[in-house]
Amino acid sequence: DGGITQSPKYLFRKEGQNVTLSCEQNLNHDAMYWYRQDPGQGLRLIYYSQIVNDFQKGDIAEGYSVSREKKESFPLTVTSAQKNPTAFYLCASSSVWGLAGAYNEQFFGPGTRLTVL
Amino acid sequence: AQKITQTQPGMFVQEKEAVTLDCTYDTSDPSYGLFWYKQPSSGEMIFLIYQGSYDQQNATEGRYSLNFQKARKSANLVISASQLGDSAMYFCAMREGVGYSGGGADGLTFGKGTHLIIQP
Repeated sequence: DGGITQSPKYLFRKEGQNVTLSCEQNLNHDAMYWYRQDPGQGLRLIYYSQIVNDFQKGDIAEGYSVSREKKESFPLTVTSAQKNPTAFYLCASSSVWGLAGAYNEQFFGPGTRLTVL
Repeated sequence: AQKITQTQPGMFVQEKEAVTLDCTYDTSDPSYGLFWYKQPSSGEMIFLIYQGSYDQQNATEGRYSLNFQKARKSANLVISASQLGDSAMYFCAMREGVGYSGGGADGLTFGKGTHLIIQP
């Protein structure tokens, strides 16, 4: 089945440690995204990538880093510079350009819940 | 200033009633797209419906329809004949600069959501 996988589902980290969240898709999408969701809040864009080896900062990129070495994979590293990393992290993907009338919906993974101890 | 505003933090609705979830948006770009997503307690995001700024008709998808009032910059989601399984968080989101074809790969801007609870 085509889809997006994120691992792990739950992640615990000690303060001062870097941690990497995995995101893989087999939908053959060019674009991939990382969002952060805090309790009772909407999603906020961290980073996105429209093509391999290229990515752009979103609204809250500070304290995070990404890479896009393969079309299928877009890992997110939460660094020790991120002041408040406890949150729910969602990865998404979409095609870039579709047929006329297409709207390139974003397909989301199941998410990773990160807790800093 | 917020680009997407959802003014209803929570709503209680009786099963089988119709529900309207409010969404207003702010953009100066003539080309944009509006999305609605459902998020059950499991956390996954489920795409429901899309409306493009150039679309002449309101979007519909099964029990979901979008009441798009461009001049008022509102894109309210209407769920007809609500079901217990509709209980979830609902998010309105926007992508600017989509182009007439609706393409583009920039990230979405989300509202804070509405928590909908359907009561039997």
